[in-house]
Amino acid sequence: EAGVTQFPSHSVIEKGQTVTLRCDPISGHDNLYWYRRVMGKEIKFLLHFVKESKQDESGMPNNRFLAERTGGTYSTLKVQPAELEDSGVYFCASSQVRQQGYTFGSGTRLTVV
Amino acid sequence: DQQVKQNSPSLSVQEGRISILNCDYTNSMFDYFLWYKKYPAEGPTFLISISSIKDKNEDGRFTVFLNKSAKHLSLHIVPSQPGDSAVYFCAARETSYDKVIFGPGTSLSVIP
Repeated sequence: EAGVTQFPSHSVIEKGQTVTLRCDPISGHDNLYWYRRVMGKEIKFLLHFVKESKQDESGMPNNRFLAERTGGTYSTLKVQPAELEDSGVYFCASSQVRQQGYTFGSGTRLTVV
Repeated sequence: DQQVKQNSPSLSVQEGRISILNCDYTNSMFDYFLWYKKYPAEGPTFLISISSIKDKNEDGRFTVFLNKSAKHLSLHIVPSQPGDSAVYFCAARETSYDKVIFGPGTSLSVIP
């Protein structure tokens, strides 16, 4: 079984540019989550999809962040325009049932300069 | 406002000894707790969990203890092995919400 795949693994962009991160969850996993870890701090929740619907987007920092999951398969997280404080590692995770521990991807390290 | 706290950023333990990683939480509505392990350049990996109706869960060398009245849980690794060296994240969830809240992590080094 393929795991959760994220790409790119690294991205360096200038302040003001746009970046799109992609996550391919494990096939058949309805639940998809985006998290972010900034500067070695806690892994913070951003949002949760159930299939193509946003179940909870309470962790999205502001309207510069846009997440989509068209068709309920892969998901994208777009940051536009990027700011310096958006730098960090963005993790995607998926799960099949609510009570299971998530399976995380390896993350995308975003650096905004 | 950090709901899940891990007050020790790092811990060093000799190989073969016990590693004890601690975690405190503030939200009394949390009813499910998890530990994740993370190696550099990888995503967190689910390790072990415990429901609030239990006070102990064991899986091989890993045991998680929960003290609800103190809002405290701990992860014991016995015996510790060099391959256990990683960052360990404590996490918690409310049944009514699906999102998991993570602590800042404790970096464990097991010295051969």
